[in-house]
Amino acid sequence: GAVVSQHPSRVICKSGTSVKIECRSLDFQATTMFWYRQFPKQSLMLMATSNEGSKATYEQGVEKDKFLINHASLTLSTLTVTSAHPEDSSFYICSARDRVLPSSYEQYFGPGTRLTVT
Amino acid sequence: KQEVTQIPAALSVPEGENLVLNCSFTDSAIYNLQWFRQDPGKGLTSLLLIQSSQREQTSGRLNASLDKSSGRSTLYIAASQPGDSATYLCAVVSRDDKIIFGKGTRLHILP
Repeated sequence: GAVVSQHPSRVICKSGTSVKIECRSLDFQATTMFWYRQFPKQSLMLMATSNEGSKATYEQGVEKDKFLINHASLTLSTLTVTSAHPEDSSFYICSARDRVLPSSYEQYFGPGTRLTVT
Repeated sequence: KQEVTQIPAALSVPEGENLVLNCSFTDSAIYNLQWFRQDPGKGLTSLLLIQSSQREQTSGRLNASLDKSSGRSTLYIAASQPGDSATYLCAVVSRDDKIIFGKGTRLHILP
């Protein structure tokens, strides 16, 4: 089956620093990847949609200059949280859509990255 | 704007019982509906995917139904086990190509 990995699984950083999270599709090519954020006991909220080779589309209320997304290849998308603050502490999950099967609109999810900003 | 609602928010049942989780969505123009399981602090595990043209999907003790016209889906779990304890999320892919999640149902199976 389609596998999506995320790295790191957990990261702790100091306020004001930047953190990069990687999302990789391991056994398929993904033209589209999605980034979600989940606060404790809340559901997943879509942050942005990234398409390979083009700029990401951000959801309303998500600061594009704070959450930098790069989708440089068909198997890798990165999310960089710049100048992180404690309120950015959350669970970040990515998903990817198989390039070969776009009609199914199924997304495959990564295991998530727990970010803690101290 | 698509909204997904899951009822109940939490549920506790004794082991062995059959149970039903409910999901409703406001816009019936969807591509598919998917049920996920999430364990505490973990990512998502896809359980069942129902395409908009389908009525139900089954996998082992799980059965999910979809009534697109009424904007409803149910997840039926047969013969529940303590290992089924988790949060179950319902999500739809709308025509704007976005996946919208419900807030989930926290299920606790009592041994």
